[in-house]
Amino acid sequence: AAGVIQSPRHLIKEKRETATLKCYPIPRHDTVYWYQQGPGQDPQFLISFYEKMQSDKGSIPDRFSAQQFSDYHSELNMSSLELGDSALYFCASSANRALNQPQHFGDGTRLSIL
Amino acid sequence: AQKVTQAQTEISVVEKEDVTLDCVYETRDTTYYLFWYKQPPSGELVFLIRRNSFDEQNEISGRYSWNFQKSTSSFNFTITASQVVDSAVYFCALSVPIYNQGGKLIFGQGTELSVKP
Repeated sequence: AAGVIQSPRHLIKEKRETATLKCYPIPRHDTVYWYQQGPGQDPQFLISFYEKMQSDKGSIPDRFSAQQFSDYHSELNMSSLELGDSALYFCASSANRALNQPQHFGDGTRLSIL
Repeated sequence: AQKVTQAQTEISVVEKEDVTLDCVYETRDTTYYLFWYKQPPSGELVFLIRRNSFDEQNEISGRYSWNFQKSTSSFNFTITASQVVDSAVYFCALSVPIYNQGGKLIFGQGTELSVKP
């Protein structure tokens, strides 16, 4: 079965650079979530989109922005990168028309800031 | 506010032992969902189970079983006859619907399970 696809898998940037992470949800899933997991930490919710509209916002820095496109893929844009942004970034998708559907996660993008 | 607590940071067992991972949650909402996810050393998050707040029936799937008790706000996870491949970090999570849509996941701190041969 098709899963959530994230790209790139690994990304190395320097401080003050920008980065764009991409997420392709499972087909027919209408909701995308972004999470950030620091080393040894639990995943923290950043932002979500339902039918291409922002549906909820968590602890996402103002330097980050995200959107969901007409084909339902989503991008997380990160600017003025800081050392503390080094983390594993997960995208998850779910079919929210039926509330009992779980979120399925991609393999994550490991972002390292030098 | 919602919160999930996994008091066990690390657990180490020997293969074939049974092990229970504890999860306690807090929410004032009457409708909510509980989840368990597995994160093996390779890093991906694997969905294991979902429970809604109106279904307290326990569930068994192979060597895995889950005990949901609303009276104690707990959703514990038991692995029977553990295997080395069960070694991973296990996260319990809570979700509360918003505007009739599925909400964000609030994770516990995770329990790192090490199964030794």
